[in-house]
Amino acid sequence: GAVVSQHPSWVICKSGTSVKIECRSLDFQATTMFWYRQFPKQSLMLMATSNEGSKATYEQGVEKDKFLINHASLTLSTLTVTSAHPEDSSFYICSASAGTFDTEAFFGQGTRLTVV
Amino acid sequence: ILNVEQSPQSLHVQEGDSTNFTCSFPSSNFYALHWYRWETAKSPEALFVMTLNGDEKKKGRISATLNTKEGYSYLYIKGSQPEDSATYLCALGTAKIIFGSGTRLSIRP
Repeated sequence: GAVVSQHPSWVICKSGTSVKIECRSLDFQATTMFWYRQFPKQSLMLMATSNEGSKATYEQGVEKDKFLINHASLTLSTLTVTSAHPEDSSFYICSASAGTFDTEAFFGQGTRLTVV
Repeated sequence: ILNVEQSPQSLHVQEGDSTNFTCSFPSSNFYALHWYRWETAKSPEALFVMTLNGDEKKKGRISATLNTKEGYSYLYIKGSQPEDSATYLCALGTAKIIFGSGTRLSIRP
């Protein structure tokens, strides 16, 4: 299957700082990438859909100014958690797809963010 | 809002026993259903993707069935082994996937 690499796998940052998470498709061009977040004892919740070269589409309740998503190339999308607070501590995971519809998505390894 | 429900939330099974769990979803606007196996700090591992009513898929000791008319899917594990311990996620969609809450399976040696 296709390979998606997510970096870093874990990060600890101070409250008020920003953290960038990268999601790369290594062996295919990802037209669309998706960002998910896992709340404690819950499943993966879709945060936003990112299409190469256009603005991300955020799910209801997700602050777009808080979670900045950039998909500048067909192999890279980034999620920046701005002015992080302890409540942003979570597990973030991306997936990448070669199409926008009717195409399987492949997952990165996830990033464990801890804000202290 | 698409609601994907999984039950039970957690399950403890003796090694060697067989088990199964359920995924329920709205039967309207169905496109595809996925089962994933997810271990902590790893990528979700795709087990099955099913699209047709009546689909049955099998991979080793794990199998799954799909009923799109009534909106449910079952995942079966035969002869559970310790390495089967994981969270099993059901999800709807194609590239844009909506996940259920998962079933956390623990196998007791």
